[in-house]
Amino acid sequence: GAGVSQTPSNKVTEKGKYVELRCDPISGHTALYWYRQSLGQGPEFLIYFQGTGAADDSGLPNDRFFAVRPEGSVSTLKIQRTERGDSAVYLCASSWAGPTEAFFGQGTRLTVV
Amino acid sequence: GENVEQHPSTLSVQEGDSAVIKCTYSDSASNYFPWYKQELGKRPQLIIDIRSNVGEKKDQRIAVTLNKTAKHFSLHITETQPEDSAVYFCAASILEAGNMLTFGGGTRLMVKP
Repeated sequence: GAGVSQTPSNKVTEKGKYVELRCDPISGHTALYWYRQSLGQGPEFLIYFQGTGAADDSGLPNDRFFAVRPEGSVSTLKIQRTERGDSAVYLCASSWAGPTEAFFGQGTRLTVV
Repeated sequence: GENVEQHPSTLSVQEGDSAVIKCTYSDSASNYFPWYKQELGKRPQLIIDIRSNVGEKKDQRIAVTLNKTAKHFSLHITETQPEDSAVYFCAASILEAGNMLTFGGGTRLMVKP
């Protein structure tokens, strides 16, 4: 596609449930990033993939959060046992290999009730 | 790790005036400094970026300056227009280390017609 695509755009879930958020990067982009943006704040880094492997997952807040990118393209962010504090907009970004501009998706707004 | 501070948090200017947003960073290894514009409910979009081997970069009404010694960089918007109203985020990263961005807290710019 023309840009980074994230689905769903909105997700409401009950506390304790499991959710999956999907990111479809720009075709050919080997680098993929997940960020979390709370209301009124800047995005915070969660995890970075280069190809299929997680090159840096130091931003994941705890072991309830996990992300995969099995074929080096689409990535899924998985959150287990959701908590109200997980409510935020989850942004995905992708870029070409090497140090270049990162393009962001529209984000998934997750609300845990 | 890197820490990025951004000021002011809100900025109101008259149409046609200039706006300046300032950021400081803590990690002297950071060498890439992008600025993103985010309109309400939309994705962050890169408006300008600068690498540490230059001190200033300009693109029409937008310019960014970088002072590596003092570890601060600034965004300058001249001849502001109502459509410049948005939240602006500065960020810093080390390109060769994966380009994971550390964002500032954002500046809400309001341009009054």
